[in-house]
Amino acid sequence: AQSVAQPEDQVNVAEGNPLTVKCTYSVSGNPYLFWYVQYPNRGLQFLLKYITGDNLVKGSYGFEAEFNKSQTSFHLKKPSALVSDSALYFCALDYNFNKFYFGSGTKLNVKP
Amino acid sequence: DAMVIQNPRYQVTQFGKPVTLSCSQTLNHNVMYWYQQKSSQAPKLLFHYYDKDFNNEADTPDNFQSRRPNTSFCFLDIRSPGLGDAAMYLCATSRSRGIEDTQYFGPGTRLTVL
Repeated sequence: AQSVAQPEDQVNVAEGNPLTVKCTYSVSGNPYLFWYVQYPNRGLQFLLKYITGDNLVKGSYGFEAEFNKSQTSFHLKKPSALVSDSALYFCALDYNFNKFYFGSGTKLNVKP
Repeated sequence: DAMVIQNPRYQVTQFGKPVTLSCSQTLNHNVMYWYQQKSSQAPKLLFHYYDKDFNNEADTPDNFQSRRPNTSFCFLDIRSPGLGDAAMYLCATSRSRGIEDTQYFGPGTRLTVL
């Protein structure tokens, strides 16, 4: 069965510190993985995706994600968090021609 | 410049009263999707159109229907809304169904059922 999991409901980090939002996946074939961010009462905004190639993927707003096949993970990272990064983050797995399973979401709180 | 537009942003309806949500796009994308996102949950795909070809997810209730009269517009019809249908409804588009094509989301319509 194909699925994606975000083990943390919430991540708290101080402004200026590095942040990591975790995502693990399960898929029978090649994994196609995405990160989206959602601000309150807004739609989802695309951050980055992994399809093939380099395991370190760089995306919007200074975010990057590391694909790790042996650990079946695709963690989202940023070297220095901003208060404005506070939002809800979703990891997603493409399971069939651009149809997504979304993770349950992780709320990121960045404190000044 | 808004690319995926959803109207209205907030919709209130009564239990059992049909309601229609609207989505339009300026991207000329071939694929349009409708997702349901209940409070504190992940978005769940209801159905999508690839051009004029309608694709329903297996577990989407019959109460939910969709229309796509042209490339730019797509509508979500809820025939008899129940209290459990209160949610944020997200429209998204992509150029094709290929994995290389990013999905672009609208701001959502929050539906309240009284």
